[in-house]
Amino acid sequence: AQSVTQLGSHVSVSEGALVLLRCNYSSSVPPYLFWYVQYPNQGLQLLLKYTTGATLVKGINGFEAEFKKSETSFHLTKPSAHMSDAAEYFCAVSDYGGSQGNLIFGKGTKLSVKP
Amino acid sequence: DGGITQSPKYLFRKEGQNVTLSCEQNLNHDAMYWYRQDPGQGLRLIYYSQIVNDFQKGDIAEGYSVSREKKESFPLTVTSAQKNPTAFYLCASSIQGAKDTEAFFGQGTRLTVV
Repeated sequence: AQSVTQLGSHVSVSEGALVLLRCNYSSSVPPYLFWYVQYPNQGLQLLLKYTTGATLVKGINGFEAEFKKSETSFHLTKPSAHMSDAAEYFCAVSDYGGSQGNLIFGKGTKLSVKP
Repeated sequence: DGGITQSPKYLFRKEGQNVTLSCEQNLNHDAMYWYRQDPGQGLRLIYYSQIVNDFQKGDIAEGYSVSREKKESFPLTVTSAQKNPTAFYLCASSIQGAKDTEAFFGQGTRLTVV
């Protein structure tokens, strides 16, 4: 069965600093991986996804993530944080089991950006 | 514009009442999902439907019911059997069977028991 672990429920960075949000997955088959962002009291919006091909994936708002099979990781980064990046971020893996629906989500990481 | 519409945005329920949350999509997706979100818990799957007139229980289906009479609509009823219904509810849809495509989400309904 697939699973996702997000390390750190809260991350705080200063404006202009590097953003690094960690995600590790477990999957017995080649995974399809996703990062979503959620602003307060809103739904989830797709940031980026990895399916096949290039392991460095670029998304919206300057975010990118690198798929590392050897480390079973898909960490999300952004070189320079902006105040508008403050939100909650969810990593997800596509479910192959059929009983869990389409995506299995991590518990989320809340990003705070200090001025 | 294509998308998913959830209504209402805020909903208040008295103890012992059933309430129904609406979810409509015009993306022509076969698969639809209901998730419950609690602080620090991530998203937990309540029910999902892969085709009209069929649906499956997710991880936390107790106290909830759904129907899928039309492709565009997947309403969720929170029954009085749900002991702790206060939460943020998210509806999503996706292309059925396509593991490499993302789910699209509505804006959510915040349900509060008063």
